Amino acid sequence: GENVEQHPSTLSVQEGDSAVIKCTYSDSASNYFPWYKQELGKGPQLIIDIRSNVGEKKDQRIAVTLNKTAKHFSLHITETQPEDSAVYFCAAKDSGYSTLTFGKGTMLLVSP
Amino acid sequence: DAGVTQSPTHLIKTRGQQVTLRCSPKSGHDTVSWYQQALGQGPQFIFQYYEEEERQRGNFPDRFSGHQFPNYSSELNVNALLLGDSALYLCASSFGTGGHGPHSAFFGQGTRLTVV
Repeated sequence: GENVEQHPSTLSVQEGDSAVIKCTYSDSASNYFPWYKQELGKGPQLIIDIRSNVGEKKDQRIAVTLNKTAKHFSLHITETQPEDSAVYFCAAKDSGYSTLTFGKGTMLLVSP
Repeated sequence: DAGVTQSPTHLIKTRGQQVTLRCSPKSGHDTVSWYQQALGQGPQFIFQYYEEEERQRGNFPDRFSGHQFPNYSSELNVNALLLGDSALYLCASSFGTGGHGPHSAFFGQGTRLTVV
């Protein structure tokens, strides 16, 4: 089955800095890669996703890049704000049905 | 649009008991997946329901079972609860499955189950 590795486990930045979170996956047939933000006591919130036919996608301060050859994808957050502080999860869709395999998460702390 | 709703939000059960968790998918969605999230970990896939059938199952014992109703809502049942079943149980809904291509999955707020 699919295996997703996520790094780093924690990331501390100053407000206004950029943050980058990286993930690798094992199943070359995976074709969909979403990112979720989870705040304390809440369920994961989909913030951006990318499909395997696209190399990069941007949505305001958030961007995701995908390198299919190397089987890795990254989340980039620019101009970070304190409200960006949360746990971020990457995931990959199994080559079978629409099930997701998640990384272990990155706790992002943005200091004012 | 109400989004994905789960009930109850919190639950405390005794070891050996049985529990039922409920999920209503986002409007227009027909596929429901259940995940278990232990503290400090990413969600782990339990199973997925589409057209009232279990379509795929993760590495969870038969104590975990589910159901999907004609209105696409779903239940997760766990029998003979163990202390290790304590976790956040998440429901995710999406439209379509498998060969129809990847579709975005949206999560509910989860049910926090504590087994004592």
